Amino acid sequence: SQTIHQWPATLVQPVGSPLSLECTVEGTSNPNLYWYRQAAGRGLQLLFYSVGIGQISSEVPQNLSASRPQDRQFILSSKKLLLSDSGFYLCAWSRLGAMGEKLFFGSGTQLSVL
Amino acid sequence: GQQVMQIPQYQHVQEGEDFTTYCNSSTTLSNIQWYKQRPGGHPVFLIQLVKSGEVKKQKRLTFQFGEAKKNSSLHITATQTTDVGTYFCAAPKTRNTGKLIFGQGTTLQVKP
Repeated sequence: SQTIHQWPATLVQPVGSPLSLECTVEGTSNPNLYWYRQAAGRGLQLLFYSVGIGQISSEVPQNLSASRPQDRQFILSSKKLLLSDSGFYLCAWSRLGAMGEKLFFGSGTQLSVL
Repeated sequence: GQQVMQIPQYQHVQEGEDFTTYCNSSTTLSNIQWYKQRPGGHPVFLIQLVKSGEVKKQKRLTFQFGEAKKNSSLHITATQTTDVGTYFCAAPKTRNTGKLIFGQGTTLQVKP
């Protein structure tokens, strides 16, 4: 069966520090991968989308970047965090090429930038 | 860009009362999905609706997709405390992509 791992679960970082969140998927090949952000009490905002290694689509201009160095690994990064980067970050995967396939979410990372 | 509007933002009900959340789009949707996020948890897929006028049921939950495929609803009959959480609708941003745009969510509180 497929599983998705996301870490760390919580992170407190000072403004201006770098960020690296990692997500890995097991049990499937060539998944679509996603990073979403959820502000407190708000909906989910799509940040990045990837259909393959090295293929990243950025959905909104921001202080973050994403990379996909391996088929089932998706990394969210920042060189210098801003206060506004605080939020709940969720990694997700879906089956490649399937329109409207459901998303499977990781357990999320609660990021607090102070 | 495409937006999916969801109302209400919050709903407090007494256990046993019914609950409904609504999702609306200004454009025709190829399909719509519903997710539930328990407090402190991550969203979990509930169902996908594809056909115009489609109605699907999961125990006490009834999901509808409008005839014009621009709106959808989730109705819970006789709520229980286990129904607490935030319910999201989501639709593909464009056809033939897996990119989903989520509604703002409806947070349900159930008083025992």
